[in-house]
Amino acid sequence: GAVVSQHPSRVICKSGTSVKIECRSLDFQATTMFWYRQFPKQSLMLMATSNEGSKATYEQGVEKDKFLINHASLTLSTLTVTSAHPEDSSFYICSLEGQETQYFGPGTRLLVL
Amino acid sequence: GQNIDQPTEMTATEGAIVQINCTYQTSGFNGLFWYQQHAGEAPTFLSYNVLDGLEEKGRFSSFLSRSKGYSYLLLKELQMKDSASYLCAAHRSNDYKLSFGAGTTVTVRA
Repeated sequence: GAVVSQHPSRVICKSGTSVKIECRSLDFQATTMFWYRQFPKQSLMLMATSNEGSKATYEQGVEKDKFLINHASLTLSTLTVTSAHPEDSSFYICSLEGQETQYFGPGTRLLVL
Repeated sequence: GQNIDQPTEMTATEGAIVQINCTYQTSGFNGLFWYQQHAGEAPTFLSYNVLDGLEEKGRFSSFLSRSKGYSYLLLKELQMKDSASYLCAAHRSNDYKLSFGAGTTVTVRA
């Protein structure tokens, strides 16, 4: 069965609005979750590491004020894309560290008009 | 730094064998993952190699050579449903992060 869920699966929004994406661990408590972004025909790029109860750590080139991450519980991490623009349109995927693998959520496709 | 290389595309016929190579240069290397990703979907786990050698799982096998920084994924008895992108990813031991290659799109033809 699914280990990780994401909501919403797809979202269309107007430029300038903010979008929140939820990532839930269904089977176990996750102190660490990862957020990736994938543009069409490109590979997954790690954006940030979400740590329960502390600040997220961001990869180089990722704006922490634009991509707000909150990991308030051991089963939920949220990514908020603030003031979204068309160039933020992408496939956003979360994952969590499991035994000998990372489990990926089903992804959220964001389209900013 | 991280440098993961794999071919962009491969095409094969149904029932054939295809080998997808992956070379990596990764600091703090722990192991090598292979994932399958169908268009518009999230990656699904195929294999994880930590030790040198070949690991076989049904129609899919994965090989790792740590000294050469090289891995391959072998797909046997190809089926149409195997048409997908295959991603290799280096796993780091210090921070558990994954560094992904750009992915190899495999097209299986009848």
